[in-house]
Amino acid sequence: DAGVIQSPRHEVTEMGQEVTLRCKPISGHDYLFWYRQTMMRGLELLIYFNNNVPIDDSGMPEDRFSAKMPNASFSTLKIQPSEPRDSAVYFCASSLIRADTEAFFGQGTRLTVV
Amino acid sequence: GQQLNQSPQSMFIQEGEDVSMNCTSSSIFNTWLWYKQDPGEGPVLLIALYKAGELTSNGRLTAQFGITRKDSFLNISASIPSDVGIYFCAGRADRGSTLGRLYFGRGTQLTVWP
Repeated sequence: DAGVIQSPRHEVTEMGQEVTLRCKPISGHDYLFWYRQTMMRGLELLIYFNNNVPIDDSGMPEDRFSAKMPNASFSTLKIQPSEPRDSAVYFCASSLIRADTEAFFGQGTRLTVV
Repeated sequence: GQQLNQSPQSMFIQEGEDVSMNCTSSSIFNTWLWYKQDPGEGPVLLIALYKAGELTSNGRLTAQFGITRKDSFLNISASIPSDVGIYFCAGRADRGSTLGRLYFGRGTQLTVWP
């Protein structure tokens, strides 16, 4: 398996624009997580899904953020409208909750909002 | 939410020295994980611990699951320059509404001088 695949790797956008981040989890994994990483706050869990159903979205900072998982092999995180304070690295991770199948992370999307 | 306190925040050591970092939690976890993050990459799993008191090694790395289930430590022996990176602890409660959710520490930035 190629691992968790995120796209794009880098995104630079102007304030107010819509941003869509994409994630393809590892095949067969039933959990998918979206994290945001900043120097100030470290790794923050935004939302996670189990079998395509959102379980906990309490980490989503505002209504400007939304996430979907239309099927087991694809998820999106959307920010609309984007703001400079959204600049961060966004990671997607997938997992099977049993021994030796812990969360595997993608390489992340570095988002810069100017 | 559950808080993880990871220390130290950063370490500067000489090649060949041993390293020790730890993580404490305000609540009980059933799983402790240790990840390493290289610059520009996502966190990569180093060691997974599933049982209180468990001591597990992976090459020069050794990690232990505390018997109180509220703490874990990671040791790196005979450090080498490629050990440089950010090390994260993560815990999972595996119960109720938090099933599947990982809580992360703020990370330990390790620098190894040749």
